[in-house]
Amino acid sequence: DIQMTQSPSSLSASVGDRVTITCRASQTISTYLNWYQQRPGKAPKLLIYAAATFQIGVPSRFSGSGFGTDFTLTISSLQPEDSATYYCQQTYTTPYTFGQGTKVQIK
Amino acid sequence: QVQLQESGPGLVKPSETLSLSCTVSGGSISGFYWTWIRQPPGAGLEWIGCIHYSGSTNYNPSLKSRVTISVDMSKNQFSLTLNSVTAADTAVYYCARRDYNSGWFYFNSWGQGTLVTVSS
Repeated sequence: DIQMTQSPSSLSASVGDRVTITCRASQTISTYLNWYQQRPGKAPKLLIYAAATFQIGVPSRFSGSGFGTDFTLTISSLQPEDSATYYCQQTYTTPYTFGQGTKVQIK
Repeated sequence: QVQLQESGPGLVKPSETLSLSCTVSGGSISGFYWTWIRQPPGAGLEWIGCIHYSGSTNYNPSLKSRVTISVDMSKNQFSLTLNSVTAADTAVYYCARRDYNSGWFYFNSWGQGTLVTVSS
């Protein structure tokens, strides 16, 4: 299985801050990398697929980048509603695997 | 817009079988792969497996010996059975549709999730 490792596991930042979450794959996955946001008690919500392609309706402050094994999700200006856990997922090969999650809290 | 809804018992005894269904509304099961994903309380997400509307399946090797996913086109439903459950199978179970765009796969449509607790 391809292991996905996110860092940090959690972070606390202020409204307006720039936040970056990283995701590393244990082997190359090209750009078969998705990012999801999950709020407590809710299903995950797709933010970005193919490493950098926005899902329709996602605010433009979210962006993704990366290729191969190293990827990032950036929130350019953190908003209160961005308090959530963020997961990366590889769909290069089955079993599709997720990172362990990054919990983002607002100071 | 397609909607998915999980249904099934919320409590299963150890060593017994977990059975869940996912009803798809607002769209057809045809043309897509349909997936089960689970999340133990306070933990991350685990892909269980998927089924194509034609019936072909792909399972997570870690669960393959205990899992069956099936599809019922007439009901626009697909189902999950997990045998010989233990407390480690306690989780929120999500059904989701695997979407496809220009060669990339992603999960944009999810059910709300259903908590299944394994306990005597």
